[in-house]
Amino acid sequence: QVTLRESGPALVKPTQTLTLTCSFSGFSLSTGGVCVNWVRQAPGKALEWLARIDWDDDEFYSTSLKTRLTISKDTSRNQVVLKMTNVDPVDTATYFCARLEISGGSCRGDYWGQGAVVTVSS
Amino acid sequence: QPVLTQPTSLSASPGASARFTCTLRSDINVGTYWIYWYQQKPGSLPRYLLKYKSDSDKQQGSGVPSRFSGSKDASTNAGLLLISGLQSEDEADYYCAIWYSSTSVFGGGTKLTVL
Repeated sequence: QVTLRESGPALVKPTQTLTLTCSFSGFSLSTGGVCVNWVRQAPGKALEWLARIDWDDDEFYSTSLKTRLTISKDTSRNQVVLKMTNVDPVDTATYFCARLEISGGSCRGDYWGQGAVVTVSS
Repeated sequence: QPVLTQPTSLSASPGASARFTCTLRSDINVGTYWIYWYQQKPGSLPRYLLKYKSDSDKQQGSGVPSRFSGSKDASTNAGLLLISGLQSEDEADYYCAIWYSSTSVFGGGTKLTVL
């Protein structure tokens, strides 16, 4: 059974760095075809894809946010970490860790974590 | 201009069909891309519905009823999601997505009201 769970601070101050951890089970990030993504959704707004890391260490980032994002994985601990620098109140959102079918054909499976609510406020 | 454009809202009656459009930016040829569709009900996680590239290249999500189907309209450069036999439980936000230029891109979503 595939599960993903996000963890991180619920409240972050503007200009700080947000660090979110995705802990998963039921699969390995060393297996071909496995990719882990971060997606966010601001209150009442659409889904926004942020980043992806693949089993072969390839990393992909949102064009608009790539200068602020870093994604990494710890295969032995079954974790993926997303860092977002210089946060702003507009970054207030629910952040999802997910395996998505959306890919160039290289990723398999679609599973979502429950999401972590992050508020950026002083 | 956004990569993907979806109408904000759509209304249809129970038992009728609903047709969602996902228009790709004019420089992106819909024929080349897989179009992915997600459903999100209020307070719930997004649910993967299906992906569609052509009639011979498509995949239904696990447990997704066959009344949900994908298609394309090359004349308008759009991906389509079709839901037949609408039910009240289909009321939700529907998002399209593509993998474009080494990024995933979601559309802005269409809110379906079944009335």
